[in-house]
Amino acid sequence: NAGVTQTPKFRVLKTGQSMTLLCAQDMNHEYMYWYRQDPGMGLRLIHYSVGEGTTAKGEVPDGYNVSRLKKQNFLLGLESAAPSQTSVYFCASRRGGGNYGYTFGSGTRLTVV
Amino acid sequence: ILNVEQSPQSLHVQEGDSTNFTCSFPSSNFYALHWYRWETAKSPEALFVMTLNGDEKKKGRISATLNTKEGYSYLYIKGSQPEDSATYLCAAKTNFGNEKLTFGTGTRLTIIP
Repeated sequence: NAGVTQTPKFRVLKTGQSMTLLCAQDMNHEYMYWYRQDPGMGLRLIHYSVGEGTTAKGEVPDGYNVSRLKKQNFLLGLESAAPSQTSVYFCASRRGGGNYGYTFGSGTRLTVV
Repeated sequence: ILNVEQSPQSLHVQEGDSTNFTCSFPSSNFYALHWYRWETAKSPEALFVMTLNGDEKKKGRISATLNTKEGYSYLYIKGSQPEDSATYLCAAKTNFGNEKLTFGTGTRLTIIP
């Protein structure tokens, strides 16, 4: 049981490049989330999904797109990376049907130069 | 955007001593309060999810209480051990059906052997 797996773990991008971060969970969780972690700030919600085929904006969605074509996968895309998107990105998932804690992935450290 | 505050920012505690720290959140439209433990180089791990005023939860030597009327939660660690060294995050959610869980910046706990 791998839990929540994020790929890649590290990446350096040049300004203007695009990339996709993959989050995969094997727990059959309904809900999935993308957060970013910046120094001195709490985890901030980028986008989330309440089920396969659905996505919604979080607190800081600008510059990012997401897709949830399969229940187990939640993709985060950066179409044109900017230095302000340098951050550590965390994916999380949780069961539906009640108040459950989140299971987090190990994070992706992204640097945009 | 919900304002979730944690205090203190950091704390050094002698092994064997007990300690506690605070999470404050707006009391209006409260729905749920989460606590996570985040060890260095690992992912945040869920400790507790609480929803009702007066809730108390316990996991081993760690316990938490919730006061939704005044908007705070306490996390207690009894008889601190070196393995308790971590950052403890709290996060709050308002309104039923709102998936936007807002995190505080954490309390970094260091246990001194």
